[in-house]
Amino acid sequence: GAGVSQSPSNKVTEKGKDVELRCDPISGHTALYWYRQSLGQGLEFLIYFQGNSAPDKSGLPSDRFSAERTGESVSTLTIQRTQQEDSAVYLCASSLNLAGTDTQYFGPGTRLTVL
Amino acid sequence: KQEVTQIPAALSVPEGENLVLNCSFTDSAIYNLQWFRQDPGKGLTSLLLIQSSQREQTSGRLNASLDKSSGRSTLYIAASQPGDSATYLCAVIGSNYKLTFGKGTLLTVNP
Repeated sequence: GAGVSQSPSNKVTEKGKDVELRCDPISGHTALYWYRQSLGQGLEFLIYFQGNSAPDKSGLPSDRFSAERTGESVSTLTIQRTQQEDSAVYLCASSLNLAGTDTQYFGPGTRLTVL
Repeated sequence: KQEVTQIPAALSVPEGENLVLNCSFTDSAIYNLQWFRQDPGKGLTSLLLIQSSQREQTSGRLNASLDKSSGRSTLYIAASQPGDSATYLCAVIGSNYKLTFGKGTLLTVNP
């Protein structure tokens, strides 16, 4: 079946603009995760969603970052008033359930460049 | 706070050699450990997942071991091939359900 898809694959924006990144998880996966991969920091957790439960936002770096998910489908990650330090690859993953036993499957990522 | 360390940061070997990648983690209270592969400009591909109750997992030429009490895992690659060249990432998941990643080992297999 189809894997996790993300769009756009690349996004170049100017400092101060808002951007929206999209993730389509694997069908039937109730858990969805966002991670960020940057040169200096490696891969870091941002947020996860599980079904209709309140998301765990503990990894979001600032209040300029927000994410939404409608039911068990698409999720969007929004970055407001982008800064140059937001430049990174944003990766989305999904798993069958929010359980430590389930494999997380990753999408190809969105490369964000803030000029 | 969980910290994951991978050694070496980079490794270059001739084709056909067997090799071992190392991963260590500071908090042994994990649910599982995953090894991923990342090709340049691409996402992550899951290679092996070891549950906390397991000692090892095998897939083809790959074998991953887990010693939870000492906070260590190894990824063994047998008979390496140029197509194995990639960055290999180790990640652990704990009770917070978040993957904590190491910084990876960049593997180059020379023909």
